[in-house]
Amino acid sequence: EDQVTQSPEALRLQEGESSSLNCSYTVSGLRGLFWYRQDPGKGPEFLFTLYSAGEEKEKERLKATLTKKESFLHITAPKPEDSATYLCAASGGSYIPTFGRGTSLIVHP
Amino acid sequence: EAGVTQFPSHSVIEKGQTVTLRCDPISGHDNLYWYRRVMGKEIKFLLHFVKESKQDESGMPNNRFLAERTGGTYSTLKVQPAELEDSGVYFCASSPTRGPGELFFGEGSRLTVL
Repeated sequence: EDQVTQSPEALRLQEGESSSLNCSYTVSGLRGLFWYRQDPGKGPEFLFTLYSAGEEKEKERLKATLTKKESFLHITAPKPEDSATYLCAASGGSYIPTFGRGTSLIVHP
Repeated sequence: EAGVTQFPSHSVIEKGQTVTLRCDPISGHDNLYWYRRVMGKEIKFLLHFVKESKQDESGMPNNRFLAERTGGTYSTLKVQPAELEDSGVYFCASSPTRGPGELFFGEGSRLTVL
């Protein structure tokens, strides 16, 4: 059974304090590793897809990386508007993404 | 371009009653997914439509849940009769392709069963 585990569950940062979120996955035949952002009362919003180990993608202050067992979402000099829940998902042979529980990020001004 | 829309945004019903949730995907998206998030848990897959056909319904909890997608357009998810453990947020997502890629999510329908 595909599994995705995210850590930490919650993270509080000061504005400008860089950090990383972790996503460990166990998926047979990884097809894609996804990062989503979810704001309160909203649906998940797509950020990145990573397909193979060693791949990296960047968007503004966010950078996602992928190894054979885990993915990291690096947040550089975060701002309060980066506060949200960040979800990781992985899909294998069935193409259906399996989600982790998410990391709730709060960035204090 | 309109995104994925879901209705109602919140429904409160008594145990034993019936509720029908509706999802309108992005126009032209053949793939439609239903997911559910129970409080404190991860978002869990329920089922996947390709056009009007159920491609994978392995995540449906039991036969109290019935999903349909008429004409390959909007989809409904009916819960009958509702139980307390059915409470949660039901998300619908759509995508233009079946392969691993971006899912476009709606804002969700929160179901509270009392």
